[in-house]
Amino acid sequence: QQPVQSPQAVILREGEDAVINCSSSKALYSVHWYRQKHGEAPVFLMILLKGGEQKGHEKISASFNEKKQQSSLYLTASQLSYSGTYFCGTEMGTGRRALTFGSGTRLQVQP
Amino acid sequence: DTEVTQTPKHLVMGMTNKKSLKCEQHMGHRAMYWYKQKAKKPPELMFVYSYEKLSINESVPSRFSPECPNSSLLNLHLHALQPEDSALYLCASSRPGGSRSYNEQFFGPGTRLTVL
Repeated sequence: QQPVQSPQAVILREGEDAVINCSSSKALYSVHWYRQKHGEAPVFLMILLKGGEQKGHEKISASFNEKKQQSSLYLTASQLSYSGTYFCGTEMGTGRRALTFGSGTRLQVQP
Repeated sequence: DTEVTQTPKHLVMGMTNKKSLKCEQHMGHRAMYWYKQKAKKPPELMFVYSYEKLSINESVPSRFSPECPNSSLLNLHLHALQPEDSALYLCASSRPGGSRSYNEQFFGPGTRLTVL
């Protein structure tokens, strides 16, 4: 089942902060975050596992609320290079090691 | 080498053609994936191979036929495609992992397929 992402689109000025949310109606094993620039492949940003472990970029942080099956990606002091479409991918705790991606959040950072 | 390569970058084919997409990685990953991505949409999972065996087929039409000849290579054979199959086809790889493992996926640049 596809996770729900919000907002659908965000426009920021350089230096501003943004939060992107991802929620699922099913119990999750992990949440992945990827950024895709126009015409390019998705690039891994962050993974959060059930139980609190996480791995990702130093300048990007995220949280995973297991009770609510929600994850949030925090982009602070945004840079022009942060522009792109952000996808969360969720993995169910069923041993099925495959991701279902949310519909994406288009982020545009302006000078 | 932390790269997933895909060939060709672009492919135009007719509905009666047979063609193949190729994906290669040398990171020692033992899970490989095919995704289909339409414009302004998220990647949609098609197939997953784990240790060279097909582990997930997301009810993909038989005109798409995956193949994993070895742990570094993944092919997608195409035959009798429809215009609605035009999309970006992405390959990815990851460590298959066990419990409590990170299995971030590394994506290739994709093949832009147009079916006429």
